[in-house]
Amino acid sequence: GQQLNQSPQSMFIQEGEDVSMNCTSSSIFNTWLWYKQDPGEGPVLLIALYKAGELTSNGRLTAQFGITRKDSFLNISASIPSDVGIYFCAGHSDSNYQLIWGAGTKLIIKP
Amino acid sequence: DSGVTQTPKHLITATGQRVTLRCSPRSGDLSVYWYQQSLDQGLQFLIQYYNGEERAKGNILERFSAQQFPDLHSELNLSSLELGDSALYFCASSVAGISGSPLHFGNGTRLTVT
Repeated sequence: GQQLNQSPQSMFIQEGEDVSMNCTSSSIFNTWLWYKQDPGEGPVLLIALYKAGELTSNGRLTAQFGITRKDSFLNISASIPSDVGIYFCAGHSDSNYQLIWGAGTKLIIKP
Repeated sequence: DSGVTQTPKHLITATGQRVTLRCSPRSGDLSVYWYQQSLDQGLQFLIQYYNGEERAKGNILERFSAQQFPDLHSELNLSSLELGDSALYFCASSVAGISGSPLHFGNGTRLTVT
């Protein structure tokens, strides 16, 4: 079945650094969603993308729907301690009824 | 607060037992989804209901079943529990039955099978 490759698997960053992560697929998607999960809580929707090339921001977060429709990127600028958590991408295509989920990127801030 | 309510928050039970997890979707949402998340793993889709009817099935074991009631709340029943069923179980809801619409998650039920 369809899979999403999300990378990196984990990131160790210094507070104040910018962060980039991405998801890629071998097939075309028509919706990309980015979620953040804090420990012991449910994933929270950060950004939803519906059009190829779309660039959407939510505070310090910016996500892009790739032009090829096979990838999406999430950037976090000037990271702060509360940015730690697991970030998931999810995509939807016409050929698969359900959302397809990436395995997550774990963000850890170095002390 | 996503507006999705899950109870109980924690559940500890023994192997072979049966448990019921409950979910109330956001006001106005007709679709309910159940996901399983094992320790440090991703989200595994189990099943979706839309307005009381089963809409889609994922990797749900035969020992598991679910339903959505007329008031749109949903229950996930897990029976003949095994150690490997220990996980976080999330409910999510969306307005439409279209699976590409954004999901809003509850805070989960942590199930521990001993």
